Amino acid sequence: GESVGLHLPTLSVQEGDNSIINCAYSNSASDYFIWYKQESGKGPQFIIDIRSNMDKRQGQRVTVLLNKTVKHLSLQIAATQPGDSAVYFCAETAKLAQKLVFGQGTRLTINP
Amino acid sequence: DAGVTQSPTHLIKTRGQQVTLRCSPISGHKSVSWYQQVLGQGPQFIFQYYEKEERGRGNFPDRFSARQFPNYSSELNVNALLLGDSALYLCASSSTPGGYETQYFGPGTRLLVL
Repeated sequence: GESVGLHLPTLSVQEGDNSIINCAYSNSASDYFIWYKQESGKGPQFIIDIRSNMDKRQGQRVTVLLNKTVKHLSLQIAATQPGDSAVYFCAETAKLAQKLVFGQGTRLTINP
Repeated sequence: DAGVTQSPTHLIKTRGQQVTLRCSPISGHKSVSWYQQVLGQGPQFIFQYYEKEERGRGNFPDRFSARQFPNYSSELNVNALLLGDSALYLCASSSTPGGYETQYFGPGTRLLVL
């Protein structure tokens, strides 16, 4: 479904710890998933993507896991840094679709 | 390399007025999409354009319209503004529409309707 809700879930972690942000997607026909990071006053910034023919994809300090059985996506950030503080959105789409459908978003706060 | 650029950065309008927002895609990208992001929510799809043609439209009223120019830049127009149109308007570009092409977002235009 479409992004809903006025109250963003918040995740607080200690600097240096690993963060895991979860997302449930809605459309079983979606076959392409993207994580975006949005800092205050800025547009969403691409972090990492994954296609439905994969279960896991790694980038620099980030890993995305996809579980199609339960329609669940997660973003793991290793050794969290203060610059990681932002709102993180998952987005889903399909190969023949025109639009991204965004999840609710999670606010990640890093404690020193 | 320049990313997606949008203008203006901020805009204040009153109810009933009309507004035009502008977007320049990443060089080489031919597809532009527009999203509306209300405070506290994720972006909502408004339009997608490719090669000057509308390829997709979200669940927005006819007060919203857009177009794409031969240089692939785009404009979003909103007529008869309502208070609820206050939001961050985001433009995203990709090399082609659909497929597995990543959409890259601009910084947005923040519109406040009084």
